[in-house]
Amino acid sequence: QKEVEQNSGPLSVPEGAIASLNCTYSDRGSQSFFWYRQYSGKSPELIMFIYSNGDKEDGRFTAQLNKASQYVSLLIRDSQPSDSATYLCAVKYSSASKIIFGSGTRLSIRP
Amino acid sequence: NAGVMQNPRHLVRRRGQEARLRCSPMKGHSHVYWYRQLPEEGLKFMVYLQKENIIDESGMPKERFSAEFPKEGPSILRIQQVVRGDSAAYFCASLGQREETQYFGPGTRLLVL
Repeated sequence: QKEVEQNSGPLSVPEGAIASLNCTYSDRGSQSFFWYRQYSGKSPELIMFIYSNGDKEDGRFTAQLNKASQYVSLLIRDSQPSDSATYLCAVKYSSASKIIFGSGTRLSIRP
Repeated sequence: NAGVMQNPRHLVRRRGQEARLRCSPMKGHSHVYWYRQLPEEGLKFMVYLQKENIIDESGMPKERFSAEFPKEGPSILRIQQVVRGDSAAYFCASLGQREETQYFGPGTRLLVL
């Protein structure tokens, strides 16, 4: 069973600090990795995607991929209250066309 | 999620009725995914469709659920004889040709009384 695991949280981070979200996956053949943000009652919106080992930065967000350890993380610098949401990790497997989502981590940024 | 349309946004059905959920992908996209999300839970993959083809339906319940994506018109997720456990948010996503990213619609909230 291909799985994507996330800590459900809630993860509480003070405003201005770095929030670190982690995700592990079971299939070593996975190719593509995505981070989505979902506000309560809304649909998921794509934050970042990453394909290669290492870091990928976009504004305050950095995605980190380590295929050897089978984890992908998302760092949010200078956290803002508006970053409070559920963050979903998603993985596209090499042997299938579907994209599997983790159960999400709730992030709360406290002022 | 701009461009992916779902309707209705809210749907109320009584047990035993049928629910039809519609999804129109972004312009130029020919791949559609359907997901179900229960309150406080993650997205559960249901089915992946291409125009006139079901690519992967491994997440679909064996009974009462069906999906189609005709050559013309929106993708339809059909739930027959709904039960209370079908109450959830159903999201559709269309696949971008570049970078393989999915773009989600606003979802349909189904409530079964």
